[in-house]
Order: sequence, then structure tokens, then C-alpha cells
Amino acid sequence: DIQMTQSPSSLSASVGDRVTITCRASQGISNSLAWYQQKPGKAPKLLLFAASRLESGVPSRFSGGGSATEYTLTISSLQPEDYATYFCHQYYSTPPTFGPGTKVDIK
Amino acid sequence: QVQLVQSGAEVKKPGASVKVSCKASGYMFTSYGISWVRQAPGQGLEWMGLISGYNGNANYGQKVQGRVSMTIDTSTSTAYMELRSLRADDTAVYYCARRGVTRSYDYWGQGTLVTVSS
Repeated sequence: DIQMTQSPSSLSASVGDRVTITCRASQGISNSLAWYQQKPGKAPKLLLFAASRLESGVPSRFSGGGSATEYTLTISSLQPEDYATYFCHQYYSTPPTFGPGTKVDIK
Repeated sequence: QVQLVQSGAEVKKPGASVKVSCKASGYMFTSYGISWVRQAPGQGLEWMGLISGYNGNANYGQKVQGRVSMTIDTSTSTAYMELRSLRADDTAVYYCARRGVTRSYDYWGQGTLVTVSS
């Protein structure tokens, strides 16, 4: 199985801050990576797929990048509604696996 | 609009079985697979398996293999996940999710809390 790690596991940031979360895979996943946002008591919501492609309806302040084994999610200017937990997900191989999550809270 | 609506919360005793449903609407059910993902309290996301909406072929995660069955009913656009021989560590919120054409999960059900307790 491909192991996914995320850093940091949590961070505190202020409204307007630029935030970057890193996801690493235990082997190359050829950009077969998605990012999800999850708020307490809610289902995950797809933000990006194919590492850098924005899902329809997701604000452009979210962006993704990376290649091979290392990927990033960047929020260019953090908004109050962005406080949540973010998960990466590789779908390159079966079983698909998820990162442990990064919790973004208010500084 | 695409919606996945799951059945309600369940409380089960150890050793029992639970069957969770996921009713899809707003798209052609047979054109997409449905995955089941669970999340234990305060924990991350664990993939349980994937079932084809076309022919009902399923493959399962190793951790639940042998205890889980995933089925579909195309006449009602509903997917089902049955988990048997429940243990306390099966306590989790269970989600169904549509696997989109990009193989990411583009729509999710609202989640079903399954509590296993004696």
C-alpha cells in the first residue's frame, strides 16, 4: 500500500495568511492526488484533483502543485470559512489511501 | 444535482451485522462506481472498498475483507454496504462517495454513524 503523510499535522493562521500544506507519498503517484476539506460533523468536500486541477465551484484561492512523491495545497489568503481539516488522497493504485489530515485553526 | 443520501445512525452489539444504504440521484448510477470510506472518532479516512455501478463488481480493503459485502440495486440507484461480526473498533462514521471520472471522490453522502457497544 502507498503510505501518505502530511505536514504539518496542525497549524494556526490568521485571516489573510498564505497557508501551505505538504503531502508526501511513499512512492511516485504520477499526480493522481486529490485534496479534500472537512468541517466538523460534515463529509469531506473535493477541492482539487489531478494534483492541481480545481474542482468546479471551489474558490481560486485554493491551488495545488507538486509531482512524483511530494505535493502541496496552498490557500493564498485564508478566509474564515477555510478553518477545517484538509486531507490528501492518492488514487494512483489500489487501495487508495489518505493522508492523516492537517487541521487549520484560528490564530 | 447529484446527491447521495445515506441511511440513519445504527447502534449494534459486538458480533452483530449492519447494513448501510446510499441512495444516489441526479446522475446515471450505472456510469460511476461507489466507494465506501469510514472515519473512526477523531481519526482519518479509511477506504473500505469500491463497487461498480455498472455490474456490481466489488473489491475490498484488506482490513475488512471477509467481513464486508457491497451490493447495488440499479432499479433504485442504491448502493449497500454490509459489515458483519462487528467489533468495538468498527465504531465510525461510514461514508459513501461517488468515484468520478478522474477517480477522485467528487460527491459524498452525509455519513452514517455506526456505534458498536455492548
